[in-house]
Amino acid sequence: DAKTTQPNSMESNEEEPVHLPCNHSTISGTDYIHWYRQLPSQGPEYVIHGLTSNVNNRMASLAIAEDRKSSTLILHRATLRDAAVYYCILHSNDYKLSFGAGTTVTVRA
Amino acid sequence: SQTIHQWPATLVQPVGSPLSLECTVEGTSNPNLYWYRQAAGRGLQLLFYSVGIGQISSEVPQNLSASRPQDRQFILSSKKLLLSDSGFYLCAWSALGGYTFGSGTRLTVV
Repeated sequence: DAKTTQPNSMESNEEEPVHLPCNHSTISGTDYIHWYRQLPSQGPEYVIHGLTSNVNNRMASLAIAEDRKSSTLILHRATLRDAAVYYCILHSNDYKLSFGAGTTVTVRA
Repeated sequence: SQTIHQWPATLVQPVGSPLSLECTVEGTSNPNLYWYRQAAGRGLQLLFYSVGIGQISSEVPQNLSASRPQDRQFILSSKKLLLSDSGFYLCAWSALGGYTFGSGTRLTVV
């Protein structure tokens, strides 16, 4: 699997946007960019995924660079319930989802 | 709708005892199934995956085994647990678009 690089941690204030960067300079043409998050003592939860175009859903937005070598997950208004570890993962047509260390997001009230 | 059930939620087992963790999926047919482990303070490590009944692929050599006796049932087992088997075990299934994880089993080997 191609490697992704994320900051270890980020802090945000409640009600403010959070921009989580992810670098994936070795991404291949068939790799989708997936984001998952893991709340304490729970399994990971799917957030969003995309290939080339920016994507929006009820949880977040995904902005993908034109060269696809980086992407940014955007939480528009952080809440305390958004405090979690966020994983950026490249996934193609094989069966395996490989998790890195992720970014630990802390939200201040 | 698709759901995934994993049990038990917590388990404390002595060293040398056997292990059986079960995962079942509802609402889908022929899913890809996975077992992950997360050691304390660490990332998720893929242990096994299965693309069909009786088909198991192992990602890392270890003291564990997996079986898929039915299409929507995935079992993680061990004949004799080691202290190093402690961790948070997660079952997952995938279809087009994303993975869905179970709620996990926290295993403590004492």
